[in-house]
Amino acid sequence: DAGVIQSPRHEVTEMGQEVTLRCKPISGHNSLFWYRQTMMRGLELLIYFNNNVPIDDSGMPEDRFSAKMPNASFSTLKIQPSEPRDSAVYFCASSFRDYPGYFGPGTRLTVT
Amino acid sequence: AQSVTQLGSHVSVSEGALVLLRCNYSSSVPPYLFWYVQYPNQGLQLLLKYTSAATLVKGINGFEAEFKKSETSFHLTKPSAHMSDAAEYFCAVSYNQGGKLIFGQGTELSVKP
Repeated sequence: DAGVIQSPRHEVTEMGQEVTLRCKPISGHNSLFWYRQTMMRGLELLIYFNNNVPIDDSGMPEDRFSAKMPNASFSTLKIQPSEPRDSAVYFCASSFRDYPGYFGPGTRLTVT
Repeated sequence: AQSVTQLGSHVSVSEGALVLLRCNYSSSVPPYLFWYVQYPNQGLQLLLKYTSAATLVKGINGFEAEFKKSETSFHLTKPSAHMSDAAEYFCAVSYNQGGKLIFGQGTELSVKP
């Protein structure tokens, strides 16, 4: 298995632009998680899907962030408009359980 | 507030020595506890988890952790460090099944030859 796949691995964009991060979970996993990692705040759960349905989105910072999971093999995290404070590493993780088992390599986002 | 504290942001051991990474949680109810490892430029990988079964939990790569309710601790140990163990280790806690994991700030483990 290829593991959790995320794209792009690095993204540099200007403030105000739309950013879309993509995730392909491990085949057969029914839970998907989006996390954000920064030096100041550590790892934070943004949103958790189970069977493609959002279960907990209380960590989504504000309306500028949105996440979708149209099917079991694909999820997106969109930021519109992006701001410099959104700069972070964004991880996608998947699992058979209600906690993350396997994380992807992350997308390093820099907003200038 | 629910929290998890990892004592020591950096730990350095010699190859072959005991590894001890400390984790304490704040809780008034039995938690679910996890240890994850993050190698450079990679995502996290689940090492082991405690979910109210045996208090001594064995994980991958020779690591184990013991849940001590009286000390509100879940320290991670490995009898003999290997160079490949150098990574960042995160303790995490959840207070209900399906609930949000709260991560500690991480401990970076260095292994000297």
